[in-house]
Amino acid sequence: NAGVTQTPKFQVLKTGQSMTLQCAQDMNHEYMSWYRQDPGMGLRLIHYSVGAGITDQGEVPNGYNVSRSTTEDFPLRLLSAAPSQTSVYFCASKTGKGNQPQHFGDGTRLSIL
Amino acid sequence: SQQGEEDPQALSIQEGENATMNCSYKTSINNLQWYRQNSGRGLVHLILIRSNEREKHSGRLRVTLDTSKKSSSLLITASRAADTASYFCATTPSTFNFGNEKLTFGTGTRLTIIP
Repeated sequence: NAGVTQTPKFQVLKTGQSMTLQCAQDMNHEYMSWYRQDPGMGLRLIHYSVGAGITDQGEVPNGYNVSRSTTEDFPLRLLSAAPSQTSVYFCASKTGKGNQPQHFGDGTRLSIL
Repeated sequence: SQQGEEDPQALSIQEGENATMNCSYKTSINNLQWYRQNSGRGLVHLILIRSNEREKHSGRLRVTLDTSKKSSSLLITASRAADTASYFCATTPSTFNFGNEKLTFGTGTRLTIIP
């Protein structure tokens, strides 16, 4: 049981490039989310999904797109990378039941030059 | 904006001592959760306490919740070197429904256990 898998683990981009961060979970969880973690700021919610075909914005959605075509996958797309998007990105999932914890991947460390 | 603020930001103690971290939050909650993050890794869930609970235990962990003060504390007893990590509190809003499962994290406490 792999849990939540994120790829790649590290990535360096140039300003203006686009890329997709992959996230997959094998626990059949309905709820998935993306966070970014910056020094001294904790984790901030970017986008989330309550099920296939349903997505919504979190606290810091600008510059990012998501889609949820299957229960297992929740990719995060950077449309035109900016240095301000240099961060560590975490994907998480949880069951649809209330009062349950989120399960996190190990993160993608992204640098924008 | 951050919902939670942890205090202290950093804590160093000798192995075997107890470690206490505090979390304050701003709005009404459905539950409060504590997570641990080892360096370079993702977050691992430690314990969840519901808004109608005041105290919860799990192994060497003890969590308290005071909704009147909008605060929580995490106590780790008999600390070990392996407890060295960052600890985050996170809250789920009281307007809870499945479409509103948005966790809001605090800024974390960096705990160092000195062998």
